[in-house]
Amino acid sequence: DQQVKQNSPSLSVQEGRISILNCDYTNSMFDYFLWYKKYPAEGPTFLISISSIKDKNEDGRFTVFLNKSAKHLSLHIVPSQPGDSAVYFCALGGSQGNLIFGKGTKLSVKP
Amino acid sequence: SQTIHQWPATLVQPVGSPLSLECTVEGTSNPNLYWYRQAAGRGLQLLFYSVGIGQISSEVPQNLSASRPQDRQFILSSKKLLLSDSGFYLCAWSAWPLYEQYFGPGTRLTVT
Repeated sequence: DQQVKQNSPSLSVQEGRISILNCDYTNSMFDYFLWYKKYPAEGPTFLISISSIKDKNEDGRFTVFLNKSAKHLSLHIVPSQPGDSAVYFCALGGSQGNLIFGKGTKLSVKP
Repeated sequence: SQTIHQWPATLVQPVGSPLSLECTVEGTSNPNLYWYRQAAGRGLQLLFYSVGIGQISSEVPQNLSASRPQDRQFILSSKKLLLSDSGFYLCAWSAWPLYEQYFGPGTRLTVT
């Protein structure tokens, strides 16, 4: 049973436009919600996080939104750049740092 | 600066053979350590995590085991590999915050 769902396996966006990546979860007991980015043949890298007590966190071009009532997490990238092309994983973070990841969404940003 | 090493990068093993994957971390003390697996078409699945030497927590029951013989060394093992053990294995470490984890380059395991 998937606790974290990323229903779009892929997303294609034009350079300069907004990329919106979505994630739904079922378990509300986690303290942190995160996004990781992964390039082929590399390990994931931490991108941005949000605490369960907040609804928005911004870091440069990246903004994460949390809607706890809808159990929905989203990542906005504005403006999108070709170097943003990667697989993006959302994750739920537990107290021991144990993360539950979604299956990922492959973002392609076209020049 | 901290670095994390994993080896080998790729591995092809027959069904029923043993497995040993090693992960080491440099530049930090008493990190939390994690083993993840990404199977084909699936997300990253946490297999084991460790908060200290000799302390291992298993997230998914299976024929794999983990050990932490030293503070910055984490080993993933199996006595007999199954076809379903094929996948991309990733080691990670974290300090504080625990959810901000740093991943190694991974090992691509193919069981034939």
